[in-house]
Amino acid sequence: EAGVVQSPRYKIIEKKQPVAFWCNPISGHNTLYWYLQNLGQGPELLIRYENEEAVDDSQLPKDRFSAERLKGVDSTLKIQPAELGDSAVYLCASSLERTGGLPGELFFGEGSRLTVL
Amino acid sequence: DQQVKQNSPSLSVQEGRISILNCDYTNSMFDYFLWYKKYPAEGPTFLISISSIKDKNEDGRFTVFLNKSAKHLSLHIVPSQPGDSAVYFCAARDYGGSQGNLIFGKGTKLSVKP
Repeated sequence: EAGVVQSPRYKIIEKKQPVAFWCNPISGHNTLYWYLQNLGQGPELLIRYENEEAVDDSQLPKDRFSAERLKGVDSTLKIQPAELGDSAVYLCASSLERTGGLPGELFFGEGSRLTVL
Repeated sequence: DQQVKQNSPSLSVQEGRISILNCDYTNSMFDYFLWYKKYPAEGPTFLISISSIKDKNEDGRFTVFLNKSAKHLSLHIVPSQPGDSAVYFCAARDYGGSQGNLIFGKGTKLSVKP
């Protein structure tokens, strides 16, 4: 079974430029997450999708960040314009959540490391 | 404020000995706890979990203990192996809450020396 696939693995851009990250979750997983991980910190949730609906985007800086999950499968995360402080690893994860069942295990991709110069 | 705290940024252990990683939490509504392991340049991978209705869960060399009254959990690795060297994240979830999102600690870097 293929894992969560993210691209690009690395991206270096100048500040004020736009950048986009793509995520393909594990087949059949209904829930998709974007996390931000700064150096020396744990992952912090940016947005969570259940199928194609964003059910929690409270931590997403909506002035410059946007995300979409068309058709409830792949997802993209965009930053426009990027700032120096956006340098971090952006992790995508997916899980299969069943109503009334135990929480699904989150499977993470390898992450996209962004450097803003 | 941090809801999940891992107060030890690093831990060094000799191969074959026990590794004990600790985690404290503040939200009494958390009802599910997980440990993730992360190697450099890779995403975190699930290691072991425990529901709040239990106080212990074991999987091979890995055991997680939960003390709800103290809001504390720990991960024991016995015996420790060099391949266990990684960053370990404690995570907690309020599944019955409004969001059910996973909250991570800052991680503890474990080094197992041969």
